Amino acid sequence: GENVEQHPSTLSVQEGDSAVIKCTYSDSASNYFPWYKQELGKRPQLIIDIRSNVGEKKDQRIAVTLNKTAKHFSLHITETQPEDSAVYFCAALKAAGNKLTFGGGTRVLVKP
Amino acid sequence: ETGVTQTPRHLVMGMTNKKSLKCEQHLGHNAMYWYKQSAKKPLELMFVYSLEERVENNSVPSRFSPECPNSSHLFLHLHTLQPEDSALYLCASSQQDTGDGELFFGEGSRLTVL
Repeated sequence: GENVEQHPSTLSVQEGDSAVIKCTYSDSASNYFPWYKQELGKRPQLIIDIRSNVGEKKDQRIAVTLNKTAKHFSLHITETQPEDSAVYFCAALKAAGNKLTFGGGTRVLVKP
Repeated sequence: ETGVTQTPRHLVMGMTNKKSLKCEQHLGHNAMYWYKQSAKKPLELMFVYSLEERVENNSVPSRFSPECPNSSHLFLHLHTLQPEDSALYLCASSQQDTGDGELFFGEGSRLTVL
């Protein structure tokens, strides 16, 4: 089955700096890669996703890149703000599949 | 936001108790999921129901018993749990046939087993 590795497990950045989280996946048939953000005490929520037919997607301060050959994808947050502090999860899904495999999560702390 | 609602939000039970967690989705989705979230394994898939049929059972102990009476409701029946089962149990739903795969999570039920 699919295996998703996520690094780092914790990340501390100064407000205004950038944060990068990296994930690798094992199943080359995976074609959908979402990122979820979970604030303290709240539910995980989708913040951005990318499909295997594109290499990069951007939404305001967040962007995701995908390298299908190397089977890795990354989340980039620019100009970080305190409200970006949360746990971020990457995930991978096979086409027509129903099992989203999550990475281990990255706890991001943005220091004011 | 009332897309996916879970009750109860908090539950404390002894190892000999029987209790149930309830999940209801108001999004018209055709798939529902139970995830376990703990410090050890942040988001661990337990069960998947697609069109009210169980399509995934991720080697979960039999003391956890899911039930999906219709496409909007999902239960997790708990019986003779162990302290290591203490965790946040998250329900989620998605629409399978669009191929989107986006999961919509509930707020979770925080379970403590004494």
